[in-house]
Amino acid sequence: GNSVTQMEGPVTLSEEAFLTINCTYTATGYPSLFWYVQYPGEGLQLLLKATKADDKGSNKGFEATYRKETTSFHLEKGSVQVSDSAVYFCALKILPGGKLIFGQGTELSVKP
Amino acid sequence: GAGVSQSPSNKVTEKGKDVELRCDPISGHTALYWYRQSLGQGLEFLIYFQGNSAPDKSGLPSDRFSAERTGGSVSTLTIQRTQQEDSAVYLCASSLGPGNTEAFFGQGTRLTVV
Repeated sequence: GNSVTQMEGPVTLSEEAFLTINCTYTATGYPSLFWYVQYPGEGLQLLLKATKADDKGSNKGFEATYRKETTSFHLEKGSVQVSDSAVYFCALKILPGGKLIFGQGTELSVKP
Repeated sequence: GAGVSQSPSNKVTEKGKDVELRCDPISGHTALYWYRQSLGQGLEFLIYFQGNSAPDKSGLPSDRFSAERTGGSVSTLTIQRTQQEDSAVYLCASSLGPGNTEAFFGQGTRLTVV
């Protein structure tokens, strides 16, 4: 079946630290991969995406590379800020239909 | 509208009552999705609409859950005879189509069954 596994949180970092949130997936076919972010009190927002193997998605200093050989899509940021504190969800999209299968979410807390 | 709109934002209901949750997608978006976010289960897919049809209802947890979409726009998720385990945040998302297009999420309806 199709599934997404994320590293468990919460993750607590100091400002300017390096961030990695691991995400691996199981899927039939070749799904598109996404990272969504949910800031406190707000709805889910797309952070970045990659649609095929070796694609790198990037946005707001975050990056993730679609690794088919390791079935992974790890999220990285070189220097986190307090404003990055949020819950991050890795997801894959299943076609036809386009439903998203989400990981459990990883809560990130960045301290000044 | 500018974004996906859901109402009500919060709903408290007594066990056994029926509830209706509403979703107004972004104008022109033909694909509409319902998800449920709960502490124990994370984010789960419930149902997908393409236009007014629902080709994928595989995530509906029981026959107490149903949904419809009219005019290719507004969708209503109905939960009959609510149970405490139905307490969750119900999220609606829409996209231009089912392919590799971005899904935009509403703020959700927080349902509490007491």
